[in-house]
Amino acid sequence: DAGITQSPRHKVTETGTPVTLRCHQTENHRYMYWYRQDPGHGLRLIHYSYGVKDTDKGEVSDGYSVSRSKTEDFLLTLESATSSQTSVYFCAISGTGVDQPQHFGDGTRLSIL
Amino acid sequence: GENVEQHPSTLSVQEGDSAVIKCTYSDSASNYFPWYKQELGKRPQLIIDIRSNVGEKKDQRIAVTLNKTAKHFSLHITETQPEDSAVYFCAASIAGSARQLTFGSGTQLTVLP
Repeated sequence: DAGITQSPRHKVTETGTPVTLRCHQTENHRYMYWYRQDPGHGLRLIHYSYGVKDTDKGEVSDGYSVSRSKTEDFLLTLESATSSQTSVYFCAISGTGVDQPQHFGDGTRLSIL
Repeated sequence: GENVEQHPSTLSVQEGDSAVIKCTYSDSASNYFPWYKQELGKRPQLIIDIRSNVGEKKDQRIAVTLNKTAKHFSLHITETQPEDSAVYFCAASIAGSARQLTFGSGTQLTVLP
């Protein structure tokens, strides 16, 4: 399995609170991604990073921000969580080069009450 | 942006029979098509992928076919086994170093013993 660790694995919080999810990789891969998974929607890209301090928006970026200060860590922040952000969040990584596949972490189940 | 449609949403087959899952994509610039298998509560795992310069790819009991003209691709699983039961996702992306995958909504495959 790809060396990807997501933390926390589960979190319950209240509407309006800030939440930060962490993705840590030991593969030294350049590219990192955050997806959310909801029933009937598959996986949808939130943000991605193509290097330290280099990030860009995905399909569903509203309400989320990211940071990448080190190659191995990619943080996803919900500044003020809403119930619509209740979901399972997956981090993925991929290496440099043509057609490198994306490999996923184990996910974080986030519930916002 | 890219749109990927996946059918059927659920599929039940008898053990030993074949299963076929179909996806269509909208952006003719897409050139990379991976398939992921996700067991309940687990991470999505890459099972096979295909590039647009190839029409078919096989890996043991799994094969993927691509029709660029019609903009659709399919996953074929032969001699199905109970352990093939899972949700399968197709995805598509356009050439580039940071591949922004667009996923289909998933197919729940159940293999009946």
